[in-house]
Amino acid sequence: GIQVEQSPPDLILQEGANSTLRCNFSDSVNNLQWFHQNPWGQLINLFYIPSGTKQNGRLSATTVATERYSLLYISSSQTTDSGVYFCAFGDDKIIFGKGTRLHILP
Amino acid sequence: DAGITQSPRHKVTETGTPVTLRCHQTENHRYMYWYRQDPGHGLRLIHYSYGVKDTDKGEVSDGYSVSRSKTEDFLLTLESATSSQTSVYFCAISPGQAYGYTFGSGTRLTVV
Repeated sequence: GIQVEQSPPDLILQEGANSTLRCNFSDSVNNLQWFHQNPWGQLINLFYIPSGTKQNGRLSATTVATERYSLLYISSSQTTDSGVYFCAFGDDKIIFGKGTRLHILP
Repeated sequence: DAGITQSPRHKVTETGTPVTLRCHQTENHRYMYWYRQDPGHGLRLIHYSYGVKDTDKGEVSDGYSVSRSKTEDFLLTLESATSSQTSVYFCAISPGQAYGYTFGSGTRLTVV
């Protein structure tokens, strides 16, 4: 079945640092999405990005469909970036990776 | 999240009792989904709907049923709750397959 692997599982950074989160997937890309779950449990959709590159403020994402991976870049980290970042993909139903837990220290 | 609400937000119930969780949307989106989130397992799809009265199973559908009698409401029912169904349940909506999901705030269910 569809498999989604995220790395690293955990990441601790100082405020102001940059980070790159990776998502590898097992099949052709459809509906690749990145989400942020904040410490209060709320899930926010960051990007819908089946291919190419998108940017939203300090966050950007790139998906290389032919090589079956996607990257999420966070620049100039802030404490509010803390939480868990999930990638997910599929067709009419998407499957989630296990997430990368990010902790930004003040 | 704006346009999608889940109720109740918290519920404690006893083993063996039926439980229904409700997801309500005001976006007129075609697709609706129920996920559960558990430590060590991430988010797993329970059931989803691609239209009124059109539903299908996800990864972990055993012990759950769903109904969608109108576009705005998607109900998740645990016919006879078990302790293994203690979890946080999230509803999500999407206009179509080529669009991002919007999640509700979640329902924390405890089965004692």
